[in-house]
Amino acid sequence: QQPVQSPQAVILREGEDAVINCSSSKALYSVHWYRQKHGEAPVFLMILLKGGEQKGHDKISASFNEKKQQSSLYLTASQLSYSGTYFCGTETGANNLFFGTGTRLTVIP
Amino acid sequence: KAGVTQTPRYLIKTRGQQVTLSCSPISGHRSVSWYQQTPGQGLQFLFEYFSETQRNKGNFPGRFSGRQFSNSRSEMNVSTLELGDSALYLCASSFQVPNEKLFFGSGTQLSVL
Repeated sequence: QQPVQSPQAVILREGEDAVINCSSSKALYSVHWYRQKHGEAPVFLMILLKGGEQKGHDKISASFNEKKQQSSLYLTASQLSYSGTYFCGTETGANNLFFGTGTRLTVIP
Repeated sequence: KAGVTQTPRYLIKTRGQQVTLSCSPISGHRSVSWYQQTPGQGLQFLFEYFSETQRNKGNFPGRFSGRQFSNSRSEMNVSTLELGDSALYLCASSFQVPNEKLFFGSGTQLSVL
């Protein structure tokens, strides 16, 4: 039930854009995105519910395609502070949330 | 408001031993979830508790168990430790259900020798 994330890792220069994808083999109720910096706890970014909505958080936004059971996280004009590992979490039923293996994002000057 | 507190921060055990990890959720939060984090596997869901009842369980062997107390504090226990149990164990709390915003603790780093 673990979603699949791609790419596994990406290196960006400051100001560049990136897309992280998350897909599931099961129907999804919601998709969650978290970021974890090295040595720290994961921190909530956003939740997307069924309905194909797109959400934004500063220059980080995400979309959710319910029919394709996919979500994408968009990072625009990346900053050094965006570095970390991004996890998508998918809810496929009541009271569960399964996370992917993560995408390590490194932003360099 | 205090965050999610996990104790101890580090643990070193040997194979065959058992271990108990503790998690105190944010005040008012009643749902507590546990995750195992390893470099290659990401965050693997262990189980979720609400009002002292386990509502959901991941795909882990029966050596992994947990419980929740009336004050919402939770413990997880791993019996007969194996080398592969070495991992960071994260606890996360939310108000009522795990599909709300989760607040994670800093985790317990378990090393099995």
